[in-house]
Parts: sequence; structure tokens; C-alpha cells
Amino acid sequence: KAGVTQTPRYLIKTRGQQVTLSCSPISGHRSVSWYQQTPGQGLQFLFEYFSETQRNKGNFPGRFSGRQFSNSRSEMNVSTLELGDSALYLCASSLVGQQTETQYFGPGTRLLVL
Amino acid sequence: GENVEQHPSTLSVQEGDSAVIKCTYSDSASNYFPWYKQELGKRPQLIIDIRSNVGEKKDQRIAVTLNKTAKHFSLHITETQPEDSAVYFCALNSGNTPLVFGKGTRLSVIA
Repeated sequence: KAGVTQTPRYLIKTRGQQVTLSCSPISGHRSVSWYQQTPGQGLQFLFEYFSETQRNKGNFPGRFSGRQFSNSRSEMNVSTLELGDSALYLCASSLVGQQTETQYFGPGTRLLVL
Repeated sequence: GENVEQHPSTLSVQEGDSAVIKCTYSDSASNYFPWYKQELGKRPQLIIDIRSNVGEKKDQRIAVTLNKTAKHFSLHITETQPEDSAVYFCALNSGNTPLVFGKGTRLSVIA
């Protein structure tokens, strides 16, 4: 099976712009979670989608949003970018998102905000 | 929400020695404890996990121990090799919440 894929792999944006990141889960996986990884804070949970519904949300401002499509692919959007949004954005997929399921990570999208 | 403390933040060992990384948590409802390895520039990958009905699990040179009473779990790597150099993250699930990660341990194995 193909692994989790994310596009694009690298992005450079300027403050105030918006960005959309995409994640394609492993075939058959219906749960997709998004994480922000920064050197100082480790991996911080953004949100989780299952069957096109947001099931959990982390402590991030409303500028961060996401959605999931019927084929389980997910996108996340960040509006009004700030310098502090520079990070590696990782998505992870699992079958149905049960708490003891293994999550498989994508390679990440590295976002640089100038 | 749940918080997980991971120590140490950096660890250097000589090749062949053992490495131990410890994570502590507070929510007694936590019942799933995975460990991820992230090599430089790569994605985090699950290396071992343990569930709350088990006290120890071993996979070749890697083992994880869980002490639910004391609320801590540890990753043990024996006979370390240079390819073990990476950042290791502990994580846990608490109830229906998503995975909560520790801040990571940068392990350097010196040949």
C-alpha cells in the first residue's frame, strides 16, 4: 500500500497570505489528523477528521481550518499567515481513529512565512 | 488537557551502550503509549507501542516499560548503533482525545 502523501512538500509565503495543504491517507484509512511541528514545541495537535466531519480540535486559533473529502483526502488551510506559523505540518492517518490505533505519518509540508 | 513530560531532551551515548528515555503523565485514563522515531528530514515512524494491560514489551533491541501506578513509561534501546541517532517522541491517548506527544529526545550515538 502506498503511504500517506502530502503536497506540497515545501512552501514559502509572506505574512498575511493564506495557504492550503493537502494530505492523502493510506488507502482504506478514514481518519486524518493534522499536527504542527516546531523545534520548541514538538508535535502539537491541530484537528482530526473522520468521515468528512471534524471530530477533535486542538488549541489553535480560528485561522487554522480543515476539511475532509468523501475519499478521505484532507486539506488544511491557514489564513492571514503570521511568522510564527512557520513549521512542519504533518498529517497522519489511521483506519477509524480509535485511540489505540497506529497513526501513520506523511512526510510533512514545510512552511516558511517571511 | 493531558500533558506528557519527556526526559531527557538530549542524550548522547557511546555505540554499544544503552539509552533510556522516560515520559511521565497525569491522566490515569491513558491507555495507549506509542513511541515514534524521527530521523533528520523524515517523517515520524512508530517503533513500538504498549497498551495499559501490558507492563513491558520488547522488539529486538527496543523495549518499552509501563508503570501505571507511577504514571510513567520508558523506552529502552540496547546495544545502540549509529543508525539509532534520531529524535524520539513518546505519546499517549487519554480517553477519546487525540495523541498527545512529548517534546522529544534527541539521541546521538557516538561511534
